Amino acid sequence: DSGVTQTPKHLITATGQRVTLRCSPRSGDLSVYWYQQSLDQGLQFLIHYYNGEERAKGNILERFSAQQFPDLHSELNLSSLELGDSALYFCASSADGTGLTEAFFGQGTRLTVV
Amino acid sequence: KNEVEQSPQNLTAQEGEFITINCSYSVGISALHWLQQHPGGGIVSLFMLSSGKKKHGRLIATINIQEKHSSLHITASHPRDSAVYICALASGSARQLTFGSGTQLTVLP
Repeated sequence: DSGVTQTPKHLITATGQRVTLRCSPRSGDLSVYWYQQSLDQGLQFLIHYYNGEERAKGNILERFSAQQFPDLHSELNLSSLELGDSALYFCASSADGTGLTEAFFGQGTRLTVV
Repeated sequence: KNEVEQSPQNLTAQEGEFITINCSYSVGISALHWLQQHPGGGIVSLFMLSSGKKKHGRLIATINIQEKHSSLHITASHPRDSAVYICALASGSARQLTFGSGTQLTVLP
């Protein structure tokens, strides 16, 4: 158990809908990273939050947004969903944002858009 | 050219064999991570390296910063080692991870 909790584990929704994925980092970790794993693109960085503030964006679509709350949990919001958004979405937490501390991954949320 | 290249893409071994997975990269990094992804999809962090060598049980990871190369070794491989092994670079402004394409390892009994 990595200590990182992601909910839900599975999500099936229709095109055009909006969903929210939730991530609770390991106790004490200030950094939360979101990653997307699709069959054709592999694992890609979406966005990073550190202690409530957005620090960096990667290949995140404008239809997607995220936030990190004062209790350090994070939510990834996906809207106007398309079939191509079907993927595994992972969050990872680390103690800080230096890249010199271990990253702990949640089990992922498998999103299927039909 | 990808920033991180892994080889081989697929590897089948007999139980007990010594296994090596390689990772080469072309950018400056703060650290390199080795990850394991099981068929169910979950990702487990195996090692984080910024220099030298680390060992955990039957797993050994090495990195050569000058040559921009890392290797993951598995000694006395076992069928339960079957998984995808992913090399990832911590770089960029947020030290986010950039992932290799993974090595699918199958260990036969």
